[in-house]
Amino acid sequence: EPEVTQTPSHQVTQMGQEVILRCVPISNHLYFYWYRQILGQKVEFLVSFYNNEISEKSEIFDDQFSVERPDGSNFTLKIRSTKLEDSAMYFCASTEPGQGGNQPQHFGDGTRLSIL
Amino acid sequence: SQKIEQNSEALNIQEGKTATLTCNYTNYSPAYLQWYRQDPGRGPVFLLLIRENEKEKRKERLKVTFDTTLKQSLFHITASQPADSATYLCALYFGSARQLTFGSGTQLTVLP
Repeated sequence: EPEVTQTPSHQVTQMGQEVILRCVPISNHLYFYWYRQILGQKVEFLVSFYNNEISEKSEIFDDQFSVERPDGSNFTLKIRSTKLEDSAMYFCASTEPGQGGNQPQHFGDGTRLSIL
Repeated sequence: SQKIEQNSEALNIQEGKTATLTCNYTNYSPAYLQWYRQDPGRGPVFLLLIRENEKEKRKERLKVTFDTTLKQSLFHITASQPADSATYLCALYFGSARQLTFGSGTQLTVLP
């Protein structure tokens, strides 16, 4: 069964540094998402992306964050200047054509980001 | 703002029994409600989806109900097995916000 893959599985970065998290969504999917989960807390929506532009974003997704689909397969999340509070698990997800709650979201296994 | 509550952070049941997990929400009813399973260190895995105009959905040993009057969804696992032990998340989709909002989850442990 096709799956969403994320790399790296664990990223350790110094505070203030830039970090790029990478995702390869399922190939025929058209909607892409990033979520984060701080240890012991709930999964939180960050951003959705469709047709090469941001569709929705949450309050968490401020100017330090950006997303990009640089080619036909990768979907990236960049944090420009990391803060301690950015430490979390970051999940990428994708859905088949037909955005909305009527489509199940397929999640990767996440990148654990640790900011020192 | 919308609030989602899932019953008790942890639920322990005996193998073979039915596990019932609750998801309550405030304010507006979502257009869709989804249930996911999350194992430690893994991403959520989709289980079931129910629309606001549906009362019940089933898939194998799983059943979801949706009561927009009570603002509640119940998730049932019948004939539970130790392999069902995981955290179960409900997630609400509101057409106006166009994003999934997750509850904090219920950690289910099925004891052999």
